[in-house]
Amino acid sequence: GDSVTQMEGPVTLSEEAFLTINCTYTATGYPSLFWYVQYPGEGLQLLLKATKADDKGSNKGFEATYRKETTSFHLEKGSVQVSDSAVYFCARNSGSRLTFGEGTQLTVNP
Amino acid sequence: EPEVTQTPSHQVTQMGQEVILRCVPISNHLYFYWYRQILGQKVEFLVSFYNNEISEKSEIFDDQFSVERPDGSNFTLKIRSTKLEDSAMYFCASSEELEETQYFGPGTRLLVL
Repeated sequence: GDSVTQMEGPVTLSEEAFLTINCTYTATGYPSLFWYVQYPGEGLQLLLKATKADDKGSNKGFEATYRKETTSFHLEKGSVQVSDSAVYFCARNSGSRLTFGEGTQLTVNP
Repeated sequence: EPEVTQTPSHQVTQMGQEVILRCVPISNHLYFYWYRQILGQKVEFLVSFYNNEISEKSEIFDDQFSVERPDGSNFTLKIRSTKLEDSAMYFCASSEELEETQYFGPGTRLLVL
């Protein structure tokens, strides 16, 4: 079946550091790709998405580019803040379902 | 901004009891979903629902589970006889169309003792 793989976590960074969280997906069909974020004690919030190859999703300084050739959708941010501390989930759709990666816990220290 | 709401936020139940988790999807959305997240594990798809029917269900969604849209606003997940391994966070989601962005509620944390 379809799957999504994220880099192993947790990730700990200092404020203003550069962030990359890797995500790869199985290449069946033409999925849309998503990053969701889960802040402590809250539900899943859509962070950004891309619906076709070479699309770049962006929001709140985060970016991810849909790379069909490498089946990747890596999340990046140039300068993280303490408030970015959360769990980040990569996901792809497969029909009516979303398939999620394992989640990556990000902690940003001041 | 419209949002998906879920009640209760927390529920504790005894093994073998029935529980009903409630969700109010975004009002103009047509597709509804349930997911669960066992502590420390991935978010897993349970079921999708459209036009008063199940569209798709996962292998997790066995005969102990059922979903219903009892009125024009609520969407419920019922677990008939809870097991210890049903302890998880349950998320409801909705989307305007199939394969469009799914918007999630804050979740219900279910603890089965």
